[in-house]
Amino acid sequence: DAGVIQSPRHEVTEMGQEVTLRCKPISGHDYLFWYRQTMMRGLELLIYFNNNVPIDDSGMPEDRFSAKMPNASFSTLKIQPSEPRDSAVYFCASSFAGGNGANVLTFGAGSRLTVL
Amino acid sequence: AQSVTQLGSHVSVSEGALVLLRCNYSSSVPPYLFWYVQYPNQGLQLLLKYTSAATLVKGINGFEAEFKKSETSFHLTKPSAHMSDAAEYFCAVSEGIQGAQKLVFGQGTRLTINP
Repeated sequence: DAGVIQSPRHEVTEMGQEVTLRCKPISGHDYLFWYRQTMMRGLELLIYFNNNVPIDDSGMPEDRFSAKMPNASFSTLKIQPSEPRDSAVYFCASSFAGGNGANVLTFGAGSRLTVL
Repeated sequence: AQSVTQLGSHVSVSEGALVLLRCNYSSSVPPYLFWYVQYPNQGLQLLLKYTSAATLVKGINGFEAEFKKSETSFHLTKPSAHMSDAAEYFCAVSEGIQGAQKLVFGQGTRLTINP
């Protein structure tokens, strides 16, 4: 299994531009999570999906952020327009809610976003 | 709402010494608890998890953690540090069956190993 695949690994863009981050979860996993990591705020859960349906988006910071999961093998996180304070590492993670209910997340390598 | 506090943003130990990383949690229901490790420029990897079975949990790379309900703690230990243990460590909590899908992470502890 190739694990959770994220692209791009690095993105440098200018303020005001649209940014799209992509994620391919592990096949068979039914949960997908988007996290943001910064020095100041640590790891923050932005949104998560179950069976492609958004369950909790309370962590999405503003309307500039949106996430979709059109099918079980693909998700996007979009920022439009981007701002310098959006600079962070964005992680996608997926999991399968097994019988004991413990949700073990498998993380991708992350997408490092720099907004100038 | 559940929360996690990791005491010490940086911990430094000598190679071969005991590693102790502290984690305290807050949860209104019996929690599931996790430790993850992050190496530079990588995603997080699961070290170990507690899911209401044995209170002493063994993980990968010689790490273990003990769930202490009376102290609301889940500290991570390793008897003898190795240079390859240098990384950032995150404690995380999720609440029971209904909330098992949502993890809340601590701020992380950066572990440095001195030769």
